[in-house]
Amino acid sequence: ETGVTQTPRHLVMGMTNKKSLKCEQHLGHNAMYWYKQSAKKPLELMFVYSLEERVENNSVPSRFSPECPNSSHLFLHLHTLQPEDSALYLCASSQAGEGNTEAFFGQGTRLTVV
Amino acid sequence: AQRVTQPEKLLSVFKGAPVELKCNYSYSGSPELFWYVQYSRQRLQLLLRHISRESIKGFTADLNKGETSFHLKKPFAQEEDSAMYYCALMKTGANNLFFGTGTRLTVIP
Repeated sequence: ETGVTQTPRHLVMGMTNKKSLKCEQHLGHNAMYWYKQSAKKPLELMFVYSLEERVENNSVPSRFSPECPNSSHLFLHLHTLQPEDSALYLCASSQAGEGNTEAFFGQGTRLTVV
Repeated sequence: AQRVTQPEKLLSVFKGAPVELKCNYSYSGSPELFWYVQYSRQRLQLLLRHISRESIKGFTADLNKGETSFHLKKPFAQEEDSAMYYCALMKTGANNLFFGTGTRLTVIP
């Protein structure tokens, strides 16, 4: 599959569960991102990885833990979430550098915390 | 801190009418600005960026630094333009995109 792929597409979890979201990109990009999309709020940038190093952590609670084992894969580990964490989580990738800053997005994972 | 404002959550226009989606930003440096679009059941994708100065699907957007605006315009709206539109800002030399809340455009046949 080409582009940016996110799994699972839908996830329902209890507040005491531990789960992980996965993102994979087949575009040869060197930067990957996690965004949170809640109703009535702008897309919130959560984490940025560039060349597999975390370069931005946008004041995200520690119950969200990202992992970038290589330039093609990005995970978001979830534990002890709250109902207000229910949202659409979007992954994106781009080729960091001048002149080519287009971000390519996945379809998202719809997370519901019960 | 950077901020992107899209004042209209919903915008409806008739087919063939002009359309303008407003975007204002605040940022102390010289940002890169983008418009992203999300059609029904499709993923978010880039529509255009200000540095390209190009017209995509009949849409144009001009960066007005004096008014700190980047409004998206099209002279004649089409039904297939109905979608969610997001204005986004990237800080100079950074890899992070900051988005507005989006405007849902509906083109009425």
